[in-house]
Amino acid sequence: EVQLVQSGAEVKKPGESLKISCKGSGYSFTSYWIGWVRQMPGKGLEWMGIIYPGDSDTRYSPSFQGQVTISADKSISTAYLQWSSLKASDTAMYYCARQDVEADAFDIWGQGTMVTVSS
Amino acid sequence: DIQLTQSPSFLSASVGDRVTITCRASQGISSYLAWYQQKPGKAPKLLIYAASTLQSGVPSRFSGSGSGTEFTLTISSLQPEDFATYYCQQLNSYPRFTFGPGTKVDIK
Repeated sequence: EVQLVQSGAEVKKPGESLKISCKGSGYSFTSYWIGWVRQMPGKGLEWMGIIYPGDSDTRYSPSFQGQVTISADKSISTAYLQWSSLKASDTAMYYCARQDVEADAFDIWGQGTMVTVSS
Repeated sequence: DIQLTQSPSFLSASVGDRVTITCRASQGISSYLAWYQQKPGKAPKLLIYAASTLQSGVPSRFSGSGSGTEFTLTISSLQPEDFATYYCQQLNSYPRFTFGPGTKVDIK
């Protein structure tokens, strides 16, 4: 079964760092782009950026450039999203999703990781 | 950046109704548009890609059309499991794959 499994919910304080993960299985992880999407409480979907695990080519939405870092470890089929200094406004659900290049859409989604930042 | 708008933002409908949601792009995106369904507490699910191609396993009551700047998602006969929020996404402006603001379909 093709799936993306994300790490569990996190509760952090402002200023702390965090790295969440997205592990792919059931397909060739290095052959598909992985994107990250933010959904703030009660709000819509926001595109953050994308990585190609085969060569770690990474692109960011201008809104998130410099705010987060996207990376991948192809040896363990895992993509990451990290923050060096969290803010309360980072409180959101974060999804990873696989881009099907032929379909040119995101066909497989992780279950989401809820990040709560509160003092 | 390419902006997407959706109309309506909220729609109240009954089981069996035909429902149409519109997505407009601020500039032409050819057919690089996808539609997703999201239910509360769940990840989005791909319904339509390339503006009009039905994703495998998605019921045929869902259909998509359009190209350029105007697109529609149609549900031919609304079912109880279709009450959800629907988002369009453009994949023309790589890699800034923006989403529309969403359309919530609720029970009348």
